[in-house]
Amino acid sequence: GENVEQHPSTLSVQEGDSAVIKCTYSDSASNYFPWYKQELGKRPQLIIDIRSNVGEKKDQRIAVTLNKTAKHFSLHITETQPEDSAVYFCAASSLEYMRFGAGTRLTVKP
Amino acid sequence: DTEVTQTPKHLVMGMTNKKSLKCEQHMGHRAMYWYKQKAKKPPELMFVYSYEKLSINESVPSRFSPECPNSSLLNLHLHALQPEDSALYLCASSQVGPGGMNTEAFFGQGTRLTVV
Repeated sequence: GENVEQHPSTLSVQEGDSAVIKCTYSDSASNYFPWYKQELGKRPQLIIDIRSNVGEKKDQRIAVTLNKTAKHFSLHITETQPEDSAVYFCAASSLEYMRFGAGTRLTVKP
Repeated sequence: DTEVTQTPKHLVMGMTNKKSLKCEQHMGHRAMYWYKQKAKKPPELMFVYSYEKLSINESVPSRFSPECPNSSLLNLHLHALQPEDSALYLCASSQVGPGGMNTEAFFGQGTRLTVV
């Protein structure tokens, strides 16, 4: 089955700095890679996703890159703001299921 | 409507009780999921339903029994749970695309379950 590893487990940045979270996956059949943000006590919410036929995708301050050969993908947040503080989960999805990485707790200090 | 609705929001049950968690969506999604999330951990997949049929059971103990009575509803029946089963139970749904169920999953707000 799929195994998704995520690093770092915690990340603290100063407001305005960039944050990068990295994930690797094991199943070459995985072809959809979403990123979810989960605030304390709330449900995971999709912030950006990428499919295996695309190498990079950007949405305002958030970007995701995918290296299919190396089986890794990364989330980049630029100009971080305190409201970006949350737990971020990467996930890898194949035909039938989606598995999550262990999560990264991002803290943005004002 | 992009909502997945779960009830109840909170549930406290004894180890001899029988209870059910409910999940509902009206987005026309034909894939529905149950995840279990412990504190400070990622969601762990429990069950996947595709077109109202159970397609994946991640070796979940039989004290958890899923049911999908129709394309909008998903239930999780609980019986004889243990204290270690206390967690946030998340329901999610997604479309089934041409390439399978690898599309955006929408999560409900979860049921916080405490087993005493």
